[in-house]
Amino acid sequence: DGGITQSPKYLFRKEGQNVTLSCEQNLNHDAMYWYRQDPGQGLRLIYYSQIVNDFQKGDIAEGYSVSREKKESFPLTVTSAQKNPTAFYLCASTPLGQLPSYGYTFGSGTRLTVV
Amino acid sequence: KQEVTQIPAALSVPEGENLVLNCSFTDSAIYNLQWFRQDPGKGLTSLLLIQSSQREQTSGRLNASLDKSSGRSTLYIAASQPGDSATYLCAVRPGDYKLSFGAGTTVTVRA
Repeated sequence: DGGITQSPKYLFRKEGQNVTLSCEQNLNHDAMYWYRQDPGQGLRLIYYSQIVNDFQKGDIAEGYSVSREKKESFPLTVTSAQKNPTAFYLCASTPLGQLPSYGYTFGSGTRLTVV
Repeated sequence: KQEVTQIPAALSVPEGENLVLNCSFTDSAIYNLQWFRQDPGKGLTSLLLIQSSQREQTSGRLNASLDKSSGRSTLYIAASQPGDSATYLCAVRPGDYKLSFGAGTTVTVRA
């Protein structure tokens, strides 16, 4: 079945450590996104990419980095510069050029906790 | 900037009652609106997508309406069941492919 796979499901980060969250999709979607979800808040956009080797900052990009070397993969690195990284991270994708009839598909998320 | 609001933040109903969840948005220039369901600790599951040219979409017990001119969408869930307990999120998509989300409505259906 087509979908988005996020790994790991749970991740623990020590102070000063960089960690990388994986996101892989087999939907042949062009655009991929990373969102952060905190309790009681809506999802906030971290980074997005509409084409390989190109990506754009979202609303809360500070302390995060991404790469898009393959269409299927969009890993997110949480760097030591991100002072409050404990949150639930969601990856999403959507086809481009299909306009109003296509929606977004989300992965199952990664819960990151600072220890 | 698009602002999306969902009221109420939480809702508790007895089993069998119909659910009405509201979503409002400030900019009517949208491509579509999508309703999602999220169970605790899980990702988002798409329930319904309404294109900007449509007034409503239906899937089983779910019906979503869209009034673009007034910036409102409503999700109706008929004959609620305990399995409907979850958080429901609405998201609007403008032309730049970046979704704007509401904070969600957490629904509890009491058996």
